[in-house]
Amino acid sequence: SQTIHQWPATLVQPVGSPLSLECTVEGTSNPNLYWYRQAAGRGLQLLFYSVGIGQISSEVPQNLSASRPQDRQFILSSKKLLLSDSGFYLCAWSWDRGAPQNTGELFFGEGSRLTVL
Amino acid sequence: AQSVTQLDSHVSVSEGTPVLLRCNYSSSYSPSLFWYVQHPNKGLQLLLKYTSAATLVKGINGFEAEFKKSETSFHLTKPSAHMSDAAEYFCVVSDRRVEYGNKLVFGAGTILRVKS
Repeated sequence: SQTIHQWPATLVQPVGSPLSLECTVEGTSNPNLYWYRQAAGRGLQLLFYSVGIGQISSEVPQNLSASRPQDRQFILSSKKLLLSDSGFYLCAWSWDRGAPQNTGELFFGEGSRLTVL
Repeated sequence: AQSVTQLDSHVSVSEGTPVLLRCNYSSSYSPSLFWYVQHPNKGLQLLLKYTSAATLVKGINGFEAEFKKSETSFHLTKPSAHMSDAAEYFCVVSDRRVEYGNKLVFGAGTILRVKS
């Protein structure tokens, strides 16, 4: 079976400090990977998605970047955090589009709560 | 383009009474539709999905939803609410034509409160 791990679960960082959130998927290969942010009162916002190693698509301009150094690893980073970066960050995966199991859904990690002070 | 409207931001029911969470969607093509549940400070869990098979879809924890194309609706129901159902629920649409990744469009969410 497939599992997704996301860490750290909670993080409190000062403004201007760097950020690194990690996500790994086990039990599948070549998954599509996603980073979402959930800010209070703003619903879920897709930040980045990746269909393969080194292939990153950004959905919104922002202070954040994403990387996929390995097939099942997805990292969300920032060089200098802003107050507005606070929120609940969710990593998710889906089957590769050509996979027979793909019926469109995403599978989410447990989330990372980031508070920027 | 797709969109999702969850008609109620908050729903309050008594334990043991029926639950109805309403969702309307807009899609230019045959959509896939999903309901997810999120408990506080947790990730999203898939409750059920519609992918063009049976229009009445059964999910986990006794939830079900009916796809009504004529009404562009995908309402979530449960015959009898349990305290553990208190959470936030998201209606989601996916355009299965999307070439890269699975692009989902999320509704704003409905917070379900269950009173004892």
